[in-house]
Amino acid sequence: GAVVSQHPSWVICKSGTSVKIECRSLDFQATTMFWYRQFPKQSLMLMATSNEGSKATYEQGVEKDKFLINHASLTLSTLTVTSAHPEDSSFYICSARPLESYGYTFGSGTRLTVV
Amino acid sequence: AQTVTQSQPEMSVQEAETVTLSCTYDTSESNYYLFWYKQPPSRQMILVIRQEAYKQQNATENRFSVNFQKAAKSFSLKISDSQLGDTAMYFCAFRYSGGGADGLTFGKGTHLIIQP
Repeated sequence: GAVVSQHPSWVICKSGTSVKIECRSLDFQATTMFWYRQFPKQSLMLMATSNEGSKATYEQGVEKDKFLINHASLTLSTLTVTSAHPEDSSFYICSARPLESYGYTFGSGTRLTVV
Repeated sequence: AQTVTQSQPEMSVQEAETVTLSCTYDTSESNYYLFWYKQPPSRQMILVIRQEAYKQQNATENRFSVNFQKAAKSFSLKISDSQLGDTAMYFCAFRYSGGGADGLTFGKGTHLIIQP
């Protein structure tokens, strides 16, 4: 089955620094990947759609300069949280959809803690 | 824009019982997909079942089945013979199928607890 790998699984960083999260499709090509954010005991909220070879599409209210997305290949998308603040602490999850499927596969998520 | 509503924040049943989780949605589209995802304590999202809106037949996956009422915009999940491993958060999700690559819109989730 389709597998999406996400790294790191958890990261702690200091306020003001940047942190990069990787999302890889291991056995399929993904022209599009999605980044979600999940606060404790809450639902997943779509942050942005990552498009291979072009600019990401951000949902309303998501700061594109704070959450930089790069999708340089058909199997890799990265989310960089820039100048992180404690309020950016959250659980970030990526997902992708194989072209032959209408279902989505999710990465295992990244717990970000900004101190 | 579409919205997904799960009105049961938490449910608890005994092992081996049947439980139904409710989900309603609102959309002006006629072609779409609906999903139920399970999120155990590991927080890995696991697809439970999916339904294409154009199909009248309700989807079934082993102990999991849905009751899809398109006119009522309702998409409930029934879990039969519940097991301890079914304890998790369950999210109902919607995706427009009109082309492109839209992300999923999730409901707020239902925390299902299976008691031994």
